[in-house]
Amino acid sequence: QVQLVQSGAEVKKPGASVKVSCKASGYTFSSHAITWVRQAPGQGLEWMGWISAYNGKTYYAEKLQDRLTLTTDTSTSTAYMELRSLRSDDTAVYYCLRGVEQGENWGQGTLVAVSS
Amino acid sequence: DIQLTQSPSSLSASVGDIVTITCRASQSISSYLNWYQHKPGRAPKLLIYGASSLVSGVPSRFSGSGSGTDFTLTISSLQPEDFATYYCQQSYITSWTFGQGTKVEIK
Repeated sequence: QVQLVQSGAEVKKPGASVKVSCKASGYTFSSHAITWVRQAPGQGLEWMGWISAYNGKTYYAEKLQDRLTLTTDTSTSTAYMELRSLRSDDTAVYYCLRGVEQGENWGQGTLVAVSS
Repeated sequence: DIQLTQSPSSLSASVGDIVTITCRASQSISSYLNWYQHKPGRAPKLLIYGASSLVSGVPSRFSGSGSGTDFTLTISSLQPEDFATYYCQQSYITSWTFGQGTKVEIK
């Protein structure tokens, strides 16, 4: 079955960077894009962007495009989300999911806490 | 960006009730509208895609309808496991947007 397994929780200081991984299994990795979504405490879901696992094409949310980089490693079927210049309002649970039209398969989520 | 407005923001209901949640888009999105159920500490779960298609394995008490700008999620007989927050999401344009969520609580 399709599984997306994310890396563990992170605590970062303001201004630092974080890189979250998302390892896929159960399907042909290069056949589907990976989308990233986050949820800040007490807030709703926010779309961050997606990356084609076929050709590496990316599409970022305008508000994050200067700080966000999405990559994939097809040799290990793993997607990565790197967010730089972290601020307190980046504290959130970050999710990866398969696809660009709807998310039927999600990772378990990774908490990133930004605190001085 | 396309804005999605859900109503109500929260509701209290009893087991067995019919629950209806609406989602209005700021412009026509055809049928590119999906519904998710989200419980604390868990990943969101896709219930409905393409406005009205039920995901395999999702109970038939969940249904979706609508097209253009107005959409509805209906739970025909609320069950204890249905208490959660529900989100609509559009994929008409590449940059997804979500509704603000509707929290369904126990009356």
